[in-house]
Amino acid sequence: DGGITQSPKYLFRKEGQNVTLSCEQNLNHDAMYWYRQDPGQGLRLIYYSQIVNDFQKGDIAEGYSVSREKKESFPLTVTSAQKNPTAFYLCASSTSGTVMYYGYTFGSGTRLTVV
Amino acid sequence: SQQGEEDPQALSIQEGENATMNCSYKTSINNLQWYRQNSGRGLVHLILIRSNEREKHSGRLRVTLDTSKKSSSLLITASRAADTASYFCATDPTSGSRLTFGEGTQLTVNP
Repeated sequence: DGGITQSPKYLFRKEGQNVTLSCEQNLNHDAMYWYRQDPGQGLRLIYYSQIVNDFQKGDIAEGYSVSREKKESFPLTVTSAQKNPTAFYLCASSTSGTVMYYGYTFGSGTRLTVV
Repeated sequence: SQQGEEDPQALSIQEGENATMNCSYKTSINNLQWYRQNSGRGLVHLILIRSNEREKHSGRLRVTLDTSKKSSSLLITASRAADTASYFCATDPTSGSRLTFGEGTQLTVNP
């Protein structure tokens, strides 16, 4: 079955540590996205990539980094510079182009907690 | 910044009743989409309505779009306990290349 896989489901980070969240898709989608969701709130865009080897900052990119070396993969690193990283992280993908015919496909999320 | 704003923030109804959620937005859009999120899970795409469409149906879902008022509504008919979830609208702005999500409506359907 086609879809997006995020791992791990739960992740614990110590103060000062960098951690990497994995996102893999087999939908042959060009575009991929990372969102952060805090309790009871909507989604805020961290980074997005519309093509391999290219990515753009979203609304809250500070303290995060990404790479897009393969079409299928878009890992997110939460660096020690991110002062409040505890949140639910969601990865999504979509077809690219000027006209959107379908919505985004989301992974099941990674819950990151600072301990 | 959040383009879409859902109203109400929370809605509690009995099974079998209809649920209506509203979304307002601020800029010109190509389309508007609705998503559902069950607790602790990812979002699931429900329906997409284009800026030149006024109404769209999918099963028990009915979505309307009024571009002059920059608003949309999602109606779930004959609700079920399994419809309990958060519902988000997302706008695809003509000026940008990615969706912007609202803060969601938490729907509780009581059996």
